[in-house]
Amino acid sequence: AQRVTQPEKLLSVFKGAPVELKCNYSYSGSPELFWYVQYSRQRLQLLLRHISRESIKGFTADLNKGETSFHLKKPFAQEEDSAMYYCALRYQGAQKLVFGQGTRLTINP
Amino acid sequence: KAGVTQTPRYLIKTRGQQVTLSCSPISGHRSVSWYQQTPGQGLQFLFEYFSETQRNKGNFPGRFSGRQFSNSRSEMNVSTLELGDSALYLCASSLFGGAADTQYFGPGTRLTVL
Repeated sequence: AQRVTQPEKLLSVFKGAPVELKCNYSYSGSPELFWYVQYSRQRLQLLLRHISRESIKGFTADLNKGETSFHLKKPFAQEEDSAMYYCALRYQGAQKLVFGQGTRLTINP
Repeated sequence: KAGVTQTPRYLIKTRGQQVTLSCSPISGHRSVSWYQQTPGQGLQFLFEYFSETQRNKGNFPGRFSGRQFSNSRSEMNVSTLELGDSALYLCASSLFGGAADTQYFGPGTRLTVL
């Protein structure tokens, strides 16, 4: 079965420090991986997707098929990065997203 | 463009009742998906509709159903409510539900079952 695991429920780092939010997935085919973010009192929104290979708000994520991982990274955290982050997998081209449990990131000043 | 809207935003029902939630997608979007979010299970896919047809379905009992209208607006219905149905129900829309499409989420409807 398809599964997405985010091992850290909570992550706290200081402003300016590097951030890495972990995501591992279980899927035998070719997955599409996404990171969604939910800022306080805002709706869930797409942060980035692996097929775009782009950097959004300084965040990048590389799909590692060998390790079945899609970790989200940012070299220098900012206070406005504090939010809930969800890793999600879409398979077989369907609109069905399988989400991880989420990681609450807190950036301390 | 206006974003995805969901009504009502909050709802309180009692066990055994039924409930209907509504979702209006972004103008021009034809795919609507529904998700249930709970503290224990997280975000789980319910179903997706495209052109008034259910195209994908998650692992939920038959008490959960939905439909889509010709203007792409969608409703989901939960019959014979159980305490465990208390959750935030999110709706997401995309243009065609294709591989390159981004899903845009609504603010959700908070359902409380007493």
